[in-house]
Amino acid sequence: AQSVTQLGSHVSVSEGALVLLRCNYSSSVPPYLFWYVQYPNQGLQLLLKYTTGATLVKGINGFEAEFKKSETSFHLTKPSAHMSDAAEYFCAVIDSGGSQGNLIFGKGTKLSVKP
Amino acid sequence: DTAVSQTPKYLVTQMGNDKSIKCEQNLGHDTMYWYKQDSKKFLKIMFSYNNKELIINETVPNRFSPKSPDKAHLNLHINSLELGDSAVYFCASSKKTGATNEKLFFGSGTQLSVL
Repeated sequence: AQSVTQLGSHVSVSEGALVLLRCNYSSSVPPYLFWYVQYPNQGLQLLLKYTTGATLVKGINGFEAEFKKSETSFHLTKPSAHMSDAAEYFCAVIDSGGSQGNLIFGKGTKLSVKP
Repeated sequence: DTAVSQTPKYLVTQMGNDKSIKCEQNLGHDTMYWYKQDSKKFLKIMFSYNNKELIINETVPNRFSPKSPDKAHLNLHINSLELGDSAVYFCASSKKTGATNEKLFFGSGTQLSVL
């Protein structure tokens, strides 16, 4: 069975600093991986996804993530944090043969951005 | 024009009551979902549904039942509410059934508080 572990329930960075949100997955088959963002009082929005092909995936708002099979990781990064990036971020995994109903979410990492 | 809308946004009720949460999507999607987000922000699939198939997460109590009057709506009915049902419930939709890499579109959530 698939699972997702997000290291750190809360990450705080200064505006302009590097953002790094960690995600490790467990899957017995090639996974599809997703990062979703939840702004206060809103539903989740897809930031980026990895399915096949290039392992470095670029998403919206300057975020990117790299699929590293050897490390079973899919960490989310952004070179320079902006105040508007403050939100909850969820990593999710699904096996490549499954349906969206089998999407497994991590417990989320709350990102705070200090002025 | 909200893509996935749910009502009400907030729902406060007494234990033992029966309540419904409504969800509508105007995207023409084939599949709709209900997710539960607990107090620790853990997001878990409850149901996925299209006009052919209902997939139920086996951990969901049978007090919870999805009802779909048409393709654009998937309402969540809850009988005999319990304190542990307090959570944020998210409706979502996707374009295709069983398409693993399809993007999920989420509603903004319904915060249910059972007193």
